[in-house]
Amino acid sequence: NAGVTQTPKFRILKIGQSMTLQCTQDMNHNYMYWYRQDPGMGLKLIYYSVGAGITDKGEVPNGYNVSRSTTEDFPLRLELAAPSQTSVYFCASRGTASEQYFGPGTRLTVT
Amino acid sequence: EDKVVQSPLSLVVHEGDTVTLNCSYEVTNFRSLLWYKQEKKAPTFLFMLTSSGIEKKSGRLSSILDKKELFSILNITATQTGDSAIYLCAVHSGGGADGLTFGKGTHLIIQP
Repeated sequence: NAGVTQTPKFRILKIGQSMTLQCTQDMNHNYMYWYRQDPGMGLKLIYYSVGAGITDKGEVPNGYNVSRSTTEDFPLRLELAAPSQTSVYFCASRGTASEQYFGPGTRLTVT
Repeated sequence: EDKVVQSPLSLVVHEGDTVTLNCSYEVTNFRSLLWYKQEKKAPTFLFMLTSSGIEKKSGRLSSILDKKELFSILNITATQTGDSAIYLCAVHSGGGADGLTFGKGTHLIIQP
C-alpha cells in the first residue's frame, strides 16, 4: 500500500520557470490537500479538493493552480516561479475522519 | 482567522526526562485537534482528539484536550533519543476552507 506519493523529491527552478508537482493517493480518499512548509513554520494550506472536479483555495493560493480530474491525482502547478516559492511542499489526503496522511514532500528551490 | 499556538518552540532535555508540549487554539466550529511527529520528512500522525478530558495514549506518549480552555497537551515520558523531532499541533475546523491549521511546532531535542 503506497499511500500518498509525490514526485519529484527535489527540484531547482530558475525565476520565471513553471513546473507541476505530482501527487497520487491509492486510498480512495475524496479529500486532498497541498501544503507548504517554510523553515521554522508549520504547514500552510495552499489548495484543497473535496472530490474529483472540485477544488478551492486555502490560506496561501497566490502563484499556484490545481486540478482534480480523478480521485487519485491532485497536481499542483507553479506558474512563473518566484524565490518566495522556495519551500517544502506536502500533499495529503483523508477519508471521512479528520486525520490526514502526508506524502514524503517535494523540496523546491527557486533561484 | 483560525489560530494555533504551540509552546515552547524548542526544548532540550536529557534522555529519561518527561516532557509536556502545549497547544492552544482559536478556531471557528472546532471539529478535532491532531498531533503529528515530523522527523525531517513528512508529518506522521500521533493522535486525534475530539472530546474534552479523554486521554489518548500510545506507549510513552499521551495527549488530552480541554475544549473549555481551548488547549491540548502532549506528554512524553521516559524520553529516548528517537523522540527527537518537531511535534506539530493542528486543528480541523468547520469554518472557511477545509484543511488543517497548524501551529509552528515544538522542536524537541533529547540528549543522551
